[in-house]
Amino acid sequence: DAKTTQPTSMDCAEGRAANLPCNHSTISGNEYVYWYRQIHSQGPQYIIHGLKNNETNEMASLIITEDRKSSTLILPHATLRDTAVYYCIVRVLGGRGGGSQGNLIFGKGTKLSVKP
Amino acid sequence: EAGVVQSPRYKIIEKKQPVAFWCNPISGHNTLYWYRQNLGQGPELLIRYENEEAVDDSQLPKDRFSAERLKGVDSTLKIQPAELGDSAVYLCASSLRQGNYNEQFFGPGTRLTVL
Repeated sequence: DAKTTQPTSMDCAEGRAANLPCNHSTISGNEYVYWYRQIHSQGPQYIIHGLKNNETNEMASLIITEDRKSSTLILPHATLRDTAVYYCIVRVLGGRGGGSQGNLIFGKGTKLSVKP
Repeated sequence: EAGVVQSPRYKIIEKKQPVAFWCNPISGHNTLYWYRQNLGQGPELLIRYENEEAVDDSQLPKDRFSAERLKGVDSTLKIQPAELGDSAVYLCASSLRQGNYNEQFFGPGTRLTVL
């Protein structure tokens, strides 16, 4: 089962910041927070990941609370092309060789609709 | 750089028929994944390969599903015989290696409809 809880859906106005929350209250010390998104009829796409510090890249920013029990993905200026399902995933790194360690376990994600 | 290639994109078959999906990962990626995604759900891992070795097939229904990755490059996922409940999108992904942070790159998927 997914270890995260996300709202089922959210709306955002085009050009405004989209803030997508994620709860991961049972996260372990060696687990990272990952975000992927899936645009309709496409495969999931990696966005960003982090451990405990805030992270930023060309796509988004990731804010992780100090206790690491929740995080927020921020799309600073949402466009219509950002309409997608956004998945928050916690995973350990490593996992070389056999076993399921390090596998991505997707929940249902948040359906973000960016509106004109 | 070419992404993960999957074929066919769509497949419609009758139940009890066999079906096969093909995936060509990004060049140089030694880890390959097959996922199944049911409508309204997130993808679920079926099998993970490190080179030609299946290192995690714990979620693969082995009575009817099989997979191979000969020579550690492209891969085929087969269902025989297909059942109505197998209707889903089958996604292939690849990464440099499962370890470290390496992101997974997904193909567009094959949408299977079993009638």
